[in-house]
Amino acid sequence: GEDVEQSLFLSVREGDSSVINCTYTDSSSTYLYWYKQEPGAGLQLLTYIFSNMDMKQDQRLTVLLNKKDKHLSLRIADTQTGDSAIYFCAESNSGDDKIIFGKGTRLHILP
Amino acid sequence: EPEVTQTPSHQVTQMGQEVILRCVPISNHLYFYWYRQILGQKVEFLVSFYNNEISEKSEIFDDQFSVERPDGSNFTLKIRSTKLEDSAMYFCASREEIYTGNVLQPQHFGDGTRLSIL
Repeated sequence: GEDVEQSLFLSVREGDSSVINCTYTDSSSTYLYWYKQEPGAGLQLLTYIFSNMDMKQDQRLTVLLNKKDKHLSLRIADTQTGDSAIYFCAESNSGDDKIIFGKGTRLHILP
Repeated sequence: EPEVTQTPSHQVTQMGQEVILRCVPISNHLYFYWYRQILGQKVEFLVSFYNNEISEKSEIFDDQFSVERPDGSNFTLKIRSTKLEDSAMYFCASREEIYTGNVLQPQHFGDGTRLSIL
């Protein structure tokens, strides 16, 4: 079945870049997402990428997709304390109703 | 900005009791969803709902679960006879359409209801 895997923790110094990695198994994934969850809050869609794209950039966020390896990454440039959160990698098929999530990566910012 | 709101934020219930989790989707949205996250586990899809009927449900969504849109604004998830393993964070989501033109419309999530079964 479909599966999304990501590392559980990442610590980064303030001002450095954070790179959160994710792998997925479903070769028919059409959309790949990054969601952010701050403490006590819901799931906020940060960005998404179509499977026919290699890269998407949005201000400090860069998403890279290696479709051959089924590998997705999220780079946050100039990481700030406000970026401290759990980041979920997720995928769906053809804008399907169902989104498949990973377990989330907790990003910890070191002073 | 319009939000999906969920109540209560935390629900504590005795095992075997019925529980209803409530969600108010964004007002012009047509598609509604429930997901859950058991502590330390992945966010899992439960059910999608459109045009007053279930459009898709997962294996988790067995006969103990039901959803309803009772009054055109609320979207509820009922668990008939709760089990310890139902303890989780339950997220409601909604979206207006799946696509607008070629642009994928995102699912907007609420802040979740933490359900604790004793």
